[in-house]
Amino acid sequence: DTGVSQDPRHKITKRGQNVTFRCDPISEHNRLYWYRQTLGQGPEFLTYFQNEAQLEKSRLLSDRFSAERPKGSFSTLEIQRTEQGDSAMYLCASSPPLAGSSGANVLTFGAGSRLTVL
Amino acid sequence: GQNIDQPTEMTATEGAIVQINCTYQTSGFNGLFWYQQHAGEAPTFLSYNVLDGLEEKGRFSSFLSRSKGYSYLLLKELQMKDSASYLCAVKFSGGYNKLIFGAGTRLAVHP
Repeated sequence: DTGVSQDPRHKITKRGQNVTFRCDPISEHNRLYWYRQTLGQGPEFLTYFQNEAQLEKSRLLSDRFSAERPKGSFSTLEIQRTEQGDSAMYLCASSPPLAGSSGANVLTFGAGSRLTVL
Repeated sequence: GQNIDQPTEMTATEGAIVQINCTYQTSGFNGLFWYQQHAGEAPTFLSYNVLDGLEEKGRFSSFLSRSKGYSYLLLKELQMKDSASYLCAVKFSGGYNKLIFGAGTRLAVHP
């Protein structure tokens, strides 16, 4: 397994266009997370999937954002009608099934998809 | 809120020791992680603390005091390749294991 893969690595688009990012997690990981990171800041949580179920969404995730994980494997994050404020690095992370309530359950991150909205 | 505070920037000399502090809200605390992130790359896991005390891993150690809502990452025998951002992240109970990150500390190691 080569870790968490994200595609595309870079996307430049014009304001108002739709973009879609794909994440392929580590194969035995059933938990998948999307984060957004802007320059000089830490990653901000967007949404969480356990298998195919989207169990949590941040208030940061406006109606223009939608995420899916149809078969509990790869996930997509779509941004409709992009705005300049959407410019950021979109990070995907995955983790294995929870090993107890206090388990480390480390998140493994992909290299991210960098979005630039002109 | 779940504010996680860490210094914005630090500088240190090659071969020296540096300590990066992190404070967080104690309510609902369920584990603290440190990640390293080089510019343009993915965050990579360094350490995990859930009980009070020091966890040592080679040149890196991490300390936790749950009652004080405080952690630090200690980097020894600094190398130039340690120049990176160091992210403190907290797992809170009831949060589906998601991590809440601080803004990160950019460490510059100079000769």
